[in-house]
Amino acid sequence: GDSVTQMEGPVTLSEEAFLTINCTYTATGYPSLFWYVQYPGEGLQLLLKATKADDKGSNKGFEATYRKETTSFHLEKGSVQVSDSAVYFCAPPHGSSNTGKLIFGQGTTLQVKP
Amino acid sequence: DADVTQTPRNRITKTGKRIMLECSQTKGHDRMYWYRQDPGLGLRLIYYSFDVKDINKGEISDGYSVSRQAQAKFSLSLESAIPNQTALYFCATSDLSRGYGYTFGSGTRLTVV
Repeated sequence: GDSVTQMEGPVTLSEEAFLTINCTYTATGYPSLFWYVQYPGEGLQLLLKATKADDKGSNKGFEATYRKETTSFHLEKGSVQVSDSAVYFCAPPHGSSNTGKLIFGQGTTLQVKP
Repeated sequence: DADVTQTPRNRITKTGKRIMLECSQTKGHDRMYWYRQDPGLGLRLIYYSFDVKDINKGEISDGYSVSRQAQAKFSLSLESAIPNQTALYFCATSDLSRGYGYTFGSGTRLTVV
């Protein structure tokens, strides 16, 4: 079945460090891909999305490029802040048909230290 | 008001009790979902509904049931709660015409003792 793999956490960085969180997946259906963020004690919020191959989603300094040839959607940020400490979820589409369902990775916890 | 509202926010219940978690939305989305979140396991889909008359099981539906009372309301029931159903439960909505992005509620933390 479809699956998504995220790098395991926790990822611990110092403030202003560069961040990469890897995400690869197997589904080949509808191309929309998403990253969600969950701050402590809260629900998941949409961070960014890409809707076609080579599309780059960006928000709050985070970026991710949809690489169809490698079925990857890695999340990056050039300079992290303490306020970026959260759990990040990659969410590609589930299945090969236009079902609208997403499949979620297990989440990567990011801890940013001052 | 939040776009997707879950009640209660926290609940402690005893083994064997029936409990209902409620979800309502003001986004007008046709699709609604129930997920549970456990440490190290991410989000797992329990049930989903594409409209009022279309309800489908997810990957972990055993021990759960749902009701889509209206387009805006989707409730999750635990028929006879057991301790391994202790988790954080999320409701989400989506609209196919807007590119699948989900809107999540704030979650219900359920503890079964």
